[in-house]
Amino acid sequence: EAGVTQFPSHSVIEKGQTVTLRCDPISGHDNLYWYRRVMGKEIKFLLHFVKESKQDESGMPNNRFLAERTGGTYSTLKVQPAELEDSGVYFCASSQERGRNRAFFGQGTRLTVV
Amino acid sequence: KQEVTQIPAALSVPEGENLVLNCSFTDSAIYNLQWFRQDPGKGLTSLLLIQSSQREQTSGRLNASLDKSSGRSTLYIAASQPGDSATYLCAATGRRALTFGSGTRLQVQP
Repeated sequence: EAGVTQFPSHSVIEKGQTVTLRCDPISGHDNLYWYRRVMGKEIKFLLHFVKESKQDESGMPNNRFLAERTGGTYSTLKVQPAELEDSGVYFCASSQERGRNRAFFGQGTRLTVV
Repeated sequence: KQEVTQIPAALSVPEGENLVLNCSFTDSAIYNLQWFRQDPGKGLTSLLLIQSSQREQTSGRLNASLDKSSGRSTLYIAASQPGDSATYLCAATGRRALTFGSGTRLQVQP
């Protein structure tokens, strides 16, 4: 069974540019989560999809971040325009059901904004 | 608002020692408590998941306990090996997804 896959693994962009991160969850997992870890901080929740619907986006830092999940399959997280403080590692996770089930994480995308 | 704290932040031990990593959380209304391992530059590997109704889970040399009433979980690693060197994260699953601690960076010296 394929795990959670994230693309790209690394991205270096200039301040003001746009970057799109992609996450392919485990097949059949309705729940998809985005998290991020900025330098020296804990991993923080960004948002949660159930199928194609945003269930909770209370962790999104500002309106420069836009997440979508077309058809309830893969998800994208776009940062536009990127700022220096957006640098960090962005993780995606998926689970079959919310709450009690184990969450499986991707390897993360390391974003560096210069 | 859930807060998760891990102690110690870093730990260095000689190979073969048994060790305990601590995790505390402020809101006992959790679905489960998960322990993860993260190697440098890699993703998160789930080690153990303890449901809120359970007291402990074991996998090989790892044993995790959960005491919801006191808001604590421990990860016990028996007979540590250099390959155990990594950052260990605990995360409490609540209504809003996972809340992570800052991790314990473990170094096992050969």
